[in-house]
Amino acid sequence: GQQVMQIPQYQHVQEGEDFTTYCNSSTTLSNIQWYKQRPGGHPVFLIQLVKSGEVKKQKRLTFQFGEAKKNSSLHITATQTTDVGTYFCAGPRRGGADGLTFGKGTHLIIQP
Amino acid sequence: SQTIHQWPATLVQPVGSPLSLECTVEGTSNPNLYWYRQAAGRGLQLLFYSIGIDQISSEVPQNLSASRPQDRQFILSSKKLLLSDSGFYLCAWSVRTPGPSMAFGSGTRLTVV
Repeated sequence: GQQVMQIPQYQHVQEGEDFTTYCNSSTTLSNIQWYKQRPGGHPVFLIQLVKSGEVKKQKRLTFQFGEAKKNSSLHITATQTTDVGTYFCAGPRRGGADGLTFGKGTHLIIQP
Repeated sequence: SQTIHQWPATLVQPVGSPLSLECTVEGTSNPNLYWYRQAAGRGLQLLFYSIGIDQISSEVPQNLSASRPQDRQFILSSKKLLLSDSGFYLCAWSVRTPGPSMAFGSGTRLTVV
């Protein structure tokens, strides 16, 4: 079955350092989505990437979709304490109506 | 605007007791609805999804069941809870054609003791 893998599982950074999480799918994806879950909260949609090689930016966050549409990355520049949380990537299952397959997430811990 | 409501926020239940978690969506019609479970510190596991009233698909064999008695209502149930049912249960929806994203409810933190 479809698998979505994320690395690293945990990442400790000093505030102000950069952070990157990587996502790999066992199958080609029509799109990839990223979500952020704050401690104690629920996942919140950040962005969707659709095109091969697509790069999107949201302030200090840069999202990239691989050329083969099987991998993606999220890069945060100059982390802040508000960036703490777990970042998940997710890809559509089968025809799309069947929901999303999520990676296990990368837990970002920031030390002030 | 569309909103999703999920309750209760937290629940502590003894082993063997029944369970009923409810989720409702407002501001949209014919949504695809989903129940996910998140074990402590882990990823999101899809439990059930529904594309319409009384149309439920189960993804993993387990001690749980789901029902959709109304278009915007999704219920997660169990007749007898197990310790392994503990976790964070999240209801979510996406628009039918095909949705750009999934919106989650605030979740129910279930502890079976």
